[in-house]
Amino acid sequence: GIQVEQSPPDLILQEGANSTLRCNFSDSVNNLQWFHQNPWGQLINLFYIPSGTKQNGRLSATTVATERYSLLYISSSQTTDSGVYFCAVVLNRDDKIIFGKGTRLHILP
Amino acid sequence: DAGVIQSPRHEVTEMGQEVTLRCKPISGHDYLFWYRQTMMRGLELLIYFNNNVPIDDSGMPEDRFSAKMPNASFSTLKIQPSEPRDSAVYFCASSDGSYPSYNEQFFGPGTRLTVL
Repeated sequence: GIQVEQSPPDLILQEGANSTLRCNFSDSVNNLQWFHQNPWGQLINLFYIPSGTKQNGRLSATTVATERYSLLYISSSQTTDSGVYFCAVVLNRDDKIIFGKGTRLHILP
Repeated sequence: DAGVIQSPRHEVTEMGQEVTLRCKPISGHDYLFWYRQTMMRGLELLIYFNNNVPIDDSGMPEDRFSAKMPNASFSTLKIQPSEPRDSAVYFCASSDGSYPSYNEQFFGPGTRLTVL
């Protein structure tokens, strides 16, 4: 079946560090989004990025659709960045939405 | 705008009881999504509506689950009868983009359902 794989599954960093989260997908997609689920469970949309690069403050994302991956960069991490980061894709062939299992990020003060 | 509103925030019920979850999307959004999140299965799309019409309900687990959207500002997800394996966090989300590029989805705070 279609796979959306995120890596690493868990990441522990010191405040101020930079990080790169990866999302690989096994089929062509027409939509890709990154979400952050904070420790209180709230899901927040970070980027809608089916292709190209976008930046929002300390966060940026790049999707290379032809190579079937997307990267989320977090610079100068803060404790409020802790939580789980999900990527979600919409498949070209049947418009199904599939979420990855997430990367759990813990930023230490 | 208050964002997507879900109620109740927590629900504890006994097996066999009917459960109704409610969602009010952001005003002006014409897409509404219901998701379920569990440790085992992660986030799953159950059903989504466009202009109050169900478009894809292939994620609904079985006939015990039903969803309605009687108007643009209200949707319900009903489980009857409920079972312990239905315990999960149920999220509602809305967006105003055109499908499939529905741009940014805004999520509600979720309803944590526990079925004893």
